[in-house]
Amino acid sequence: EADIYQTPRYLVIGTGKKITLECSQTMGHDKMYWYQQDPGMELHLIHYSYGVNSTEKGDLSSESTVSRIRTEHFPLTLESARPSHTSQYLCASTRRPPPVGGLAKNIQYFGAGTRLSVL
Amino acid sequence: GDSVTQMEGPVTLSEEAFLTINCTYTATGYPSLFWYVQYPGEGLQLLLKATKADDKGSNKGFEATYRKETTSFHLEKGSVQVSDSAVYFCALWRYSSASKIIFGSGTRLSIRP
Repeated sequence: EADIYQTPRYLVIGTGKKITLECSQTMGHDKMYWYQQDPGMELHLIHYSYGVNSTEKGDLSSESTVSRIRTEHFPLTLESARPSHTSQYLCASTRRPPPVGGLAKNIQYFGAGTRLSVL
Repeated sequence: GDSVTQMEGPVTLSEEAFLTINCTYTATGYPSLFWYVQYPGEGLQLLLKATKADDKGSNKGFEATYRKETTSFHLEKGSVQVSDSAVYFCALWRYSSASKIIFGSGTRLSIRP
């Protein structure tokens, strides 16, 4: 059973508001990820982190920003929400992969997601 | 670069029908392969995995075999249930400095009673 939590589950907010989507995991995982999932279901990686004070942009450009001050916490912030930000946001985490030659078990654990609607 | 291509949906079947969702991949070396499932209103969860050629992953009646010669990892189930209605994602991971999982575009499965 994975212990990764996202809040809020649903958020409806007006244009121009600042929002923060929370993601926390209690598994001590080094790596964390944010995905944006469009209505067609496809997942787009927008941010990831290898550990504390490490953040990287993903494959899809996003106006959001992330921070990683603590291992267990990886919040995503939108400074000024717009209707084009309406989407489902999924957070995930995984442990550091083993050295080359070891078993490859890079399993990602996902939170339940935040469905964001910007009016 | 690495990529995953999976069968487009939606797929609609009757209960107790046989299911196949095709997945092929492109990657150098020997990636690990996964199937994830997303039930309505939830995040993704791992369904099964295989870490080397000819491995068979299985869980909840679903199976997939890692076929390196055809670069495929097709998902199968002999008799589907209404509760199997969900979105299924094929994915791969290959050890590298980037170490990101590559997901397919997802296949929506609907089972009729």
